[in-house]
Amino acid sequence: KAGVTQTPRYLIKTRGQQVTLSCSPISGHRSVSWYQQTPGQGLQFLFEYFSETQRNKGNFPGRFSGRQFSNSRSEMNVSTLELGDSALYLCASSPTPVNGELFFGEGSRLTVL
Amino acid sequence: AQTVTQSQPEMSVQEAETVTLSCTYDTSESDYYLFWYKQPPSRQMILVIRQEAYKQQNATENRFSVNFQKAAKSFSLKISDSQLGDAAMYFCAYSERNQFYFGTGTSLTVIP
Repeated sequence: KAGVTQTPRYLIKTRGQQVTLSCSPISGHRSVSWYQQTPGQGLQFLFEYFSETQRNKGNFPGRFSGRQFSNSRSEMNVSTLELGDSALYLCASSPTPVNGELFFGEGSRLTVL
Repeated sequence: AQTVTQSQPEMSVQEAETVTLSCTYDTSESDYYLFWYKQPPSRQMILVIRQEAYKQQNATENRFSVNFQKAAKSFSLKISDSQLGDAAMYFCAYSERNQFYFGTGTSLTVIP
């Protein structure tokens, strides 16, 4: 069974631009969540989707948005990029909606110049 | 607010020895789950061990075991017979109501 796939793996943007990251969960997993990982901050929860509905959202500004499609694939978008948005963005999928184990992708490393 | 605290940013252990990584959490809930995840350098994060809060028995997975103290809200990870492949960043995580909270991680170095 294929794992969680995130694209692109690496990208460089400049301040003010926007970026879209994609995540394909493990087949059959309906829950997809996104995390921002930075040194010293650990993983910060962005949002979680289940069956195309956002069920939870972390404490991030409105520049961070996401969506989930009917095939459970998910995208997150960051608009008006800031230097502080440089991070590893991790996507995780779960086979159950409640407190199930998370299966992580390798992440998308975003650098904002 | 739910928080997870890992007070040891870095730890080191001699190969074949035992090391314990600390984690405390804060919650007012009684039903929740606790996890330890491992993130090797430049590789994806994987689950090491999981504990349901309603279970009093500590979880074990081969060389990995936890010391779960519910009243103290403590959830430490013990790695026995440490191997070079155990070198990684370890994250303690707590989940409730479909949301996960992670600590800031402990970087474990294994010395040959």
